Amino acid sequence: DAGVTQSPTHLIKTRGQQVTLRCSPKSGHDTVSWYQQALGQGPQFIFQYYEEEERQRGNFPDRFSGHQFPNYSSELNVNALLLGDSALYLCASSLHTGATNEKLFFGSGTQLSVL
Amino acid sequence: QKEVEQDPGPLSVPEGAIVSLNCTYSNSAFQYFMWYRQYSRKGPELLMYTYSSGNKEDGRFTAQVDKSSKYISLFIRDSQPSDSATYLCAIYSASKIIFGSGTRLSIRP
Repeated sequence: DAGVTQSPTHLIKTRGQQVTLRCSPKSGHDTVSWYQQALGQGPQFIFQYYEEEERQRGNFPDRFSGHQFPNYSSELNVNALLLGDSALYLCASSLHTGATNEKLFFGSGTQLSVL
Repeated sequence: QKEVEQDPGPLSVPEGAIVSLNCTYSNSAFQYFMWYRQYSRKGPELLMYTYSSGNKEDGRFTAQVDKSSKYISLFIRDSQPSDSATYLCAIYSASKIIFGSGTRLSIRP
């Protein structure tokens, strides 16, 4: 049973560029959340996708956008990259139950470096 | 004030010691509390999950919630070098998870 898979594992971009990160959820899961983890910090919630729609959003600018596909996989797009966007980007999947305490399973992340 | 505060450490203890990791939180309405373990270059892995107050035990790990003082703890008994990792406390708020900054733990053989 495959867990959450993310690609690529590492990425180097320059300021002003755009980047797309990809995530496949754990088998049987239908909800995908994205988190940003800066060095030495805990993960911060970016947004969550369910039924191909953004359901919740954290305190991130519009430069951060996403998409969920019919097979539940997801993409995170970041435009006009800033040096401060350098971080580990984590995808987490869960099964939507309507409860407020769905358990998240995380991928290993994509390490993004902006030069 | 941050919703979840956690001492970043690092914390270094000898093998076999009892480890105590702690967090405080700000909102008394929080009900679901979690501990995640994160190894280097990996995503967080759910370790313990607690609802409301009290203790929950799983092998060498015990999670404790004290709602009166808004304090959550994770105890590790008979610590092993393989327990060396960053431990993140987390709470559920409005259907999303809010993490502490993590405590880096090192177990010396």
